[in-house]
Amino acid sequence: QKEVEQNSGPLSVPEGAIASLNCTYSDRGSQSFFWYRQYSGKSPELIMFIYSNGDKEDGRFTAQLNKASQYVSLLIRDSQPSDSATYLCAVKENAGNMLTFGGGTRLMVKP
Amino acid sequence: DAGITQSPRHKVTETGTPVTLRCHQTENHRYMYWYRQDPGHGLRLIHYSYGVKDTDKGEVSDGYSVSRSKTEDFLLTLESATSSQTSVYFCAITPTRNTEAFFGQGTRLTVV
Repeated sequence: QKEVEQNSGPLSVPEGAIASLNCTYSDRGSQSFFWYRQYSGKSPELIMFIYSNGDKEDGRFTAQLNKASQYVSLLIRDSQPSDSATYLCAVKENAGNMLTFGGGTRLMVKP
Repeated sequence: DAGITQSPRHKVTETGTPVTLRCHQTENHRYMYWYRQDPGHGLRLIHYSYGVKDTDKGEVSDGYSVSRSKTEDFLLTLESATSSQTSVYFCAITPTRNTEAFFGQGTRLTVV
């Protein structure tokens, strides 16, 4: 069974700090990796996706992928209270079209 | 806005009754999914569809059935609801095989 693991948190960071969210996955055949943000009572919304090893930056967000270690992370620079949410890591294998989600990490950014 | 509408948004039903949840999309996308979300379990795939009358089981399909008679509609049916099916249900679509998923607003189902 394919597994995607995240620390459930909460991860608490002060406003302006860097938040680091981590995710490991079990299926070496995984090819696509996604980070979703979910506010309480709302549906998940896509923040970033990454396909290749290395870093991918988009504004205050950076996704990092290391396929050899089966590890993907999301860095949020200059964290804001509005970033407080649950962050879901999702993984897709190349042959299939289904996303497997981790349990999510709850982030709290304190003013 | 991916043009996904779920109905109903909230429902309370009794154990043993049938329940149908509807997902409607306006974008004519081929791939549609039903997930459930429970505390501590994240999002788990129930069923998915690759097109009209083309569906398959996901990770937690027991007790659920689906139908897709039109591209725009994907129905999830609980034949005989149980308390363990109390959850938040999300419909999702992917525009193409390799792109990210977009989610509907969710349906909160309570089985009493």
